[in-house]
Amino acid sequence: DSGVTQTPKHLITATGQRVTLRCSPRSGDLSVYWYQQSLDQGLQFLIQYYNGEERAKGNILERFSAQQFPDLHSELNLSSLELGDSALYFCASGDRATGELFFGEGSRLTVL
Amino acid sequence: AQSVAQPEDQVNVAEGNPLTVKCTYSVSGNPYLFWYVQYPNRGLQFLLKYITGDNLVKGSYGFEAEFNKSQTSFHLKKPSALVSDSALYFCAVRGGYQKVTFGTGTKLQVIP
Repeated sequence: DSGVTQTPKHLITATGQRVTLRCSPRSGDLSVYWYQQSLDQGLQFLIQYYNGEERAKGNILERFSAQQFPDLHSELNLSSLELGDSALYFCASGDRATGELFFGEGSRLTVL
Repeated sequence: AQSVAQPEDQVNVAEGNPLTVKCTYSVSGNPYLFWYVQYPNRGLQFLLKYITGDNLVKGSYGFEAEFNKSQTSFHLKKPSALVSDSALYFCAVRGGYQKVTFGTGTKLQVIP
């Protein structure tokens, strides 16, 4: 158990809809990272937050947004969903000292 | 900009033989380097890290990695492969603002 909790584990929705994925980081970690893993593709970095502030942005579409709340949990919002958004979305929290990332089990999004 | 390259999409090795999974990186400053493993439908799990010190780093499950600064490489190795080592392996580098960039992953197939 990594200590990182992601909900929901599975989500099936239709094109054009909006979903919210939630992540609770490991106790004591201030950084939250979001990654997208599509079939046959590697891990695509989406966005990183540190103590509530956006730190780095990767290949995140404009239809996607995220935030980190004062209690350090984070949400990734995906809107106007397309078939190609079907993927595993991982959240990770980072150890401040070592930089090691602890991953949740992922949220599997299926867009029909 | 920081980057990680894993030149092999797949590595096949016979059980009992030594294995190497290659990784090269680019980052400003001193690198923090990591290897993670992903089993099917699971989140990534930490294997080992290099921050400073000895160039040969030992990690979980008998894996080790060799840091080579002049070649900017951080290859993952194991003296004797097991069938249970078959998985997807990711190399990662941490740079400024704790941004962590992953390689595209290498699928390791250990053949009985």
